[in-house]
Amino acid sequence: GENVEQHPSTLSVQEGDSAVIKCTYSDSASNYFPWYKQELGKRPQLIIDIRSNVGEKKDQRIAVTLNKTAKHFSLHITETQPEDSAVYFCAASRTGTASKLTFGTGTRLQVTL
Amino acid sequence: KAGVTQTPRYLIKTRGQQVTLSCSPISGHRSVSWYQQTPGQGLQFLFEYFSETQRNKGNFPGRFSGRQFSNSRSEMNVSTLELGDSALYLCASSLVGENSPLHFGNGTRLTVT
Repeated sequence: GENVEQHPSTLSVQEGDSAVIKCTYSDSASNYFPWYKQELGKRPQLIIDIRSNVGEKKDQRIAVTLNKTAKHFSLHITETQPEDSAVYFCAASRTGTASKLTFGTGTRLQVTL
Repeated sequence: KAGVTQTPRYLIKTRGQQVTLSCSPISGHRSVSWYQQTPGQGLQFLFEYFSETQRNKGNFPGRFSGRQFSNSRSEMNVSTLELGDSALYLCASSLVGENSPLHFGNGTRLTVT
């Protein structure tokens, strides 16, 4: 089955700096890659997603890049703010099983003042 | 639009008992998925229901089961509870369609003593 590895497990940045979280996946048939943000005690919330026919997608301060050849995708957050502090999860799924996401182990991002 | 609603929010059960968790999807969403979240194993897919039929299944024992009703509401049942079943159980709904994003509920926190 699919395996998604996520690094780093914890990341501390100063407010205003950029943060990068990286994921690799094993199933070459995976074609959908969402990112979720989970604040303490709250539900995971979709922040951005990318499909395999696109190499990069941006939404304000958040961007995701995908390298299908290397089976690697990354989340980039620029101009970080304290409210960005949360656990971020990457995930992957293949065609026909969009609801069957395989998640990475999560990255705890701490944005310090 | 109301989000995904899960009840109850918290449950405490004893080993050997059984439990039923409930999920009401976002209006118009016909696919409902269930995930287990634990500190050790992270987010793991349990199963997905669409049109009252199980469409995908994860790698969980048969003690974990679910069903979906004609109004798309879903329930999951865990029988013969074990200590290791203590977790946050998350329900997610989505529209029908290729790679429609999952929207998670706030979860049910199950503690097995």
